[in-house]
Amino acid sequence: DSGVTQTPKHLITATGQRVTLRCSPRSGDLSVYWYQQSLDQGLQFLIQYYNGEERAKGNILERFSAQQFPDLHSELNLSSLELGDSALYFCASSSSGTSGMANTGELFFGEGSRLTVL
Amino acid sequence: AQKVTQAQTEISVVEKEDVTLDCVYETRDTTYYLFWYKQPPSGELVFLIRRNSFDEQNEISGRYSWNFQKSTSSFNFTITASQVVDSAVYFCALSEPFTGGGNKLTFGTGTQLKVEL
Repeated sequence: DSGVTQTPKHLITATGQRVTLRCSPRSGDLSVYWYQQSLDQGLQFLIQYYNGEERAKGNILERFSAQQFPDLHSELNLSSLELGDSALYFCASSSSGTSGMANTGELFFGEGSRLTVL
Repeated sequence: AQKVTQAQTEISVVEKEDVTLDCVYETRDTTYYLFWYKQPPSGELVFLIRRNSFDEQNEISGRYSWNFQKSTSSFNFTITASQVVDSAVYFCALSEPFTGGGNKLTFGTGTQLKVEL
């Protein structure tokens, strides 16, 4: 058990809909990361938050947005869903949020939220 | 741009065989971290090891060992006396620091390891 909690574990919805994925980081971790894992794209970095602020952005679509709340949990919002958005969405947390050898720690991943868009 | 290549898509071995998973990376950074993660059939990503770019010592943890060679930009992972429970997808990853204090991991495409009786 990594200590990172993601809900829901499975979600089935229709094209055009909107869903929200939730992540609670490990106790004490300030950084939250979102990754998407799909068959054709592999594991892709979406976005990182550190203590409520966006710190790094990857290949996140404009239809997707995220935020980190004062209690450090994070939500990933996916809207106008398309078939190609079907994927496993991982949240990860770490204690560090800045670059540099002293601060780059391992990421602890949740079990993922499997999204199926029909 | 950072890149991680895991050329082996799938490897099948018989239990108790040794197996090496290859990882080659590209980066312009002089300071970086390399990682290995395991993804068993249940789907979660399990952290195995982190190695920084200044530490080229090989590391052994039980049946697992890692060989980091900066000269060839490789970070290979060997499982000794493989077991059925080792069956999983293994990902190699490279850290990338961002200006402004962010960082992310760039993952390889993974190697599916199947260990059979």
